[in-house]
Amino acid sequence: DQQVKQNSPSLSVQEGRISILNCDYTNSMFDYFLWYKKYPAEGPTFLISISSIKDKNEDGRFTVFLNKSAKHLSLHIVPSQPGDSAVYFCAASAAYGGSQGNLIFGKGTKLSVKP
Amino acid sequence: KAGVTQTPRYLIKTRGQQVTLSCSPISGHRSVSWYQQTPGQGLQFLFEYFSETQRNKGNFPGRFSGRQFSNSRSEMNVSTLELGDSALYLCASSLDAFTDTQYFGPGTRLTVL
Repeated sequence: DQQVKQNSPSLSVQEGRISILNCDYTNSMFDYFLWYKKYPAEGPTFLISISSIKDKNEDGRFTVFLNKSAKHLSLHIVPSQPGDSAVYFCAASAAYGGSQGNLIFGKGTKLSVKP
Repeated sequence: KAGVTQTPRYLIKTRGQQVTLSCSPISGHRSVSWYQQTPGQGLQFLFEYFSETQRNKGNFPGRFSGRQFSNSRSEMNVSTLELGDSALYLCASSLDAFTDTQYFGPGTRLTVL
């Protein structure tokens, strides 16, 4: 049973436009959510996180939105740049009820930003 | 500050053998987590060590084990290798693992023939 789902395996966006990556979760115990970016042959790199007490967190071009009632989060990248082309993973944990070490990952969305 | 390092980067083994992978966390980080990444299953949590103790464990068979040393370096061992164990094994470290960000190493690519 997949607890964290990224239903779009790929997304293609024009440079300068907005990229929206979506993630759904089923476990209501999750209270901490993260987005990671991964380039080929490298480990994932942390992008941005949000705890369940917030519904939005911004860091530069990256904004994560959390809708707890819908068990849905999204990552917005504005404006998108070709260097953003990578696989994006959504991850969740019950951090405040245990250890963040137990992260549950989605299967990733491959973002391609075209010049 | 140096990042998370993993050795070796690539490994080829045959079925039935065992393998040990090593991870050196970022200096000062006390938590080390291990993940398996495969095309079919994505990233899956194996286990997490904090101060030499296993604090969390994912849903993997007992053939997968690990340990952490007093300097926070960690090793992961897989015994009686199976073809399905072929994967990228990622190590991540964080200060405390409670809500601190995890920083990932480049991974060890294990191929089982």
